[in-house]
Amino acid sequence: KAGVTQTPRYLIKTRGQQVTLSCSPISGHRSVSWYQQTPGQGLQFLFEYFSETQRNKGNFPGRFSGRQFSNSRSEMNVSTLELGDSALYLCASSFGSADSYFGPGTRLLVL
Amino acid sequence: EDQVTQSPEALRLQEGESSSLNCSYTVSGLRGLFWYRQDPGKGPEFLFTLYSAGEEKEKERLKATLTKKESFLHITAPKPEDSATYLCAVRANTGNQFYFGTGTSLTVIP
Repeated sequence: KAGVTQTPRYLIKTRGQQVTLSCSPISGHRSVSWYQQTPGQGLQFLFEYFSETQRNKGNFPGRFSGRQFSNSRSEMNVSTLELGDSALYLCASSFGSADSYFGPGTRLLVL
Repeated sequence: EDQVTQSPEALRLQEGESSSLNCSYTVSGLRGLFWYRQDPGKGPEFLFTLYSAGEEKEKERLKATLTKKESFLHITAPKPEDSATYLCAVRANTGNQFYFGTGTSLTVIP
């Protein structure tokens, strides 16, 4: 069974730009969660989608948004990028409320 | 407030020197406690899920245990390939969000 895939793996943007990250969950998994990981803050929850609906949201500004498609693939968008948005963005998929499996992440660098 | 604290932040062991990592948690109703391993530049790799106090799970040199307030990840006779950051997370009964600790960075010296 293929694991969680994330694209792109690496991204360099400049302040003020926007970015879209993609996540394809494990086949059959309907829940997709997004996390931001930085050395200082560790893993922080962004939001979770289940069956195309946002089910949970963390404490991030409205510049961070997401969506999920009918095939369970999910995208995350960050608008008006700031230097502090540089991080590893991780996606995790699960079957309902069971164990979550993470993708390799997208490394975003904002210059 | 739901939160997770891991200790120590970093641990250096000689190959074969067994030890334990700690994960203390406060959560309003535990749905599950999860252990992950993360190698540099990679996503976390799922290790274990524990659901109730007294539960134990094993995988190779790793054994996870759970009490009402904390979990331990015991590493028996570690090898250099066990070097990684070990993350603990909890999921509460209310909501579906994971709360992660900041991890323990383990280095096993040959």
